[in-house]
Amino acid sequence: GENVEQHPSTLSVQEGDSAVIKCTYSDSASNYFPWYKQELGKRPQLIIDIRSNVGEKKDQRIAVTLNKTAKHFSLHITETQPEDSAVYFCAASITGNQFYFGTGTSLTVIP
Amino acid sequence: DTAVSQTPKYLVTQMGNDKSIKCEQNLGHDTMYWYKQDSKKFLKIMFSYNNKELIINETVPNRFSPKSPDKAHLNLHINSLELGDSAVYFCASSQAEWWGTIYFGEGSWLTVV
Repeated sequence: GENVEQHPSTLSVQEGDSAVIKCTYSDSASNYFPWYKQELGKRPQLIIDIRSNVGEKKDQRIAVTLNKTAKHFSLHITETQPEDSAVYFCAASITGNQFYFGTGTSLTVIP
Repeated sequence: DTAVSQTPKYLVTQMGNDKSIKCEQNLGHDTMYWYKQDSKKFLKIMFSYNNKELIINETVPNRFSPKSPDKAHLNLHINSLELGDSAVYFCASSQAEWWGTIYFGEGSWLTVV
């Protein structure tokens, strides 16, 4: 099956700085790449996604980039706030019914 | 209305017992999953069902048996529970179209003592 690697596993930034989380995938058939945010004790929830026919997508302070040739995609959070502190997961999907998750990044935003 | 609901939310049980976790989704999705999240927060897929048929069965002990009576329900039965089974189990669903995303239930915290 698909193998998704995610780095870094932990990330600490000062409030207002940017945070970048990177993922690589192995299966070139993967065509959908969502990102999830999981707050402590809660379920993972979708924050942004990108499809294989798009190179970049932005939603306010969050952006995702995709490089299909290199098989990697990244999450960028600008102007970080304490409420951005959470565990972030990337995922790769083939056809929308097989989702493989990265190992997670624990982001801490220091006020 | 909760889109993906699972019960129970918390479960504490002794080693060797058999337990079940139930999951229901009201999103009309045709694919449902069970994921296990361990203490290191890894989200590992266990099973995936599409229209009641098993499509993914990762390397999981055969003490774990999923059952899907219809496409809105996917239950997980665990026999002979072991300490290492302690984890959070998330049920999820998606629509098998290329733009479909996956929605998670609130999780079931299983502690085996």
